[in-house]
Amino acid sequence: DTGVSQNPRHKITKRGQNVTFRCDPISEHNRLYWYRQTLGQGPEFLTYFQNEAQLEKSRLLSDRFSAERPKGSFSTLEIQRTEQGDSAMYLCASSLGTGVGQPQHFGDGTRLSIL
Amino acid sequence: SQQGEEDPQALSIQEGENATMNCSYKTSINNLQWYRQNSGRGLVHLILIRSNEREKHSGRLRVTLDTSKKSSSLLITASRAADTASYFCATDVLSSNTGKLIFGQGTTLQVKP
Repeated sequence: DTGVSQNPRHKITKRGQNVTFRCDPISEHNRLYWYRQTLGQGPEFLTYFQNEAQLEKSRLLSDRFSAERPKGSFSTLEIQRTEQGDSAMYLCASSLGTGVGQPQHFGDGTRLSIL
Repeated sequence: SQQGEEDPQALSIQEGENATMNCSYKTSINNLQWYRQNSGRGLVHLILIRSNEREKHSGRLRVTLDTSKKSSSLLITASRAADTASYFCATDVLSSNTGKLIFGQGTTLQVKP
C-alpha cells in the first residue's frame, strides 16, 4: 500500500492561467473523490468517480473545473481561467467497495495559490 | 456546504489529559467518521461508527453516536504531544450512495508537553 499520491504538492500561478493536478489513488481502489479545503475549514466535496465514470459533481464545481479518470486509474482535475477564489488545498481520496461505510484514504493535497 | 458544527473550535490541554470533541450534524446518516489532519498534510482516517452503533473504541479513541440528537463525540485519552492536530467529523449521508463525506469545520487540538 503506497498510499494516495498527489502532484504537484504546491502550485503558484497567475490569475487567468489554467492548472492541472494529478491524483494516483491506491491501486485497487475503485472509488475516487476530489475535495477542496480552504484555510480553517473542513474539506468540501467536489466530485466522485466510480472506476472511470464520473457519477456526481458538486455545485461548487463550476464549468471552469473539469475532472477525468481515464481507464479508472489516476485522475486529473483541471481549472481553467483561474480566479483568486480558487486558492485552496485540493485533496484527493480513494476507497474500495461499492457500498457505504468505507473509510477514505487521502493524499497530502495540492496547495494552489493564485497571484 | 458543511454538514454540521464541531465544538470546541480549539482545545489546548496538557499531555496526559483527556480531550473531548463534539460534532453535530443535520441530516440522517449511513455512518459518521473521524479524521485527523496534521498541518499541511492530508487527512488520516481514525474511526468509523455506523448509524446503528452507539459507541466504538480504537486504542485511546472512544467515539459515541446519538442519532436522536444528531451528535457524536470523540474522546482521546491520555493525550500525547503527537496528538496535536485538527480533528474533523464527517458524515456519509443516508441520501447518498456514493460514500462522499460531508465534513465539519474541525477542532484544533494542541497538546502541550
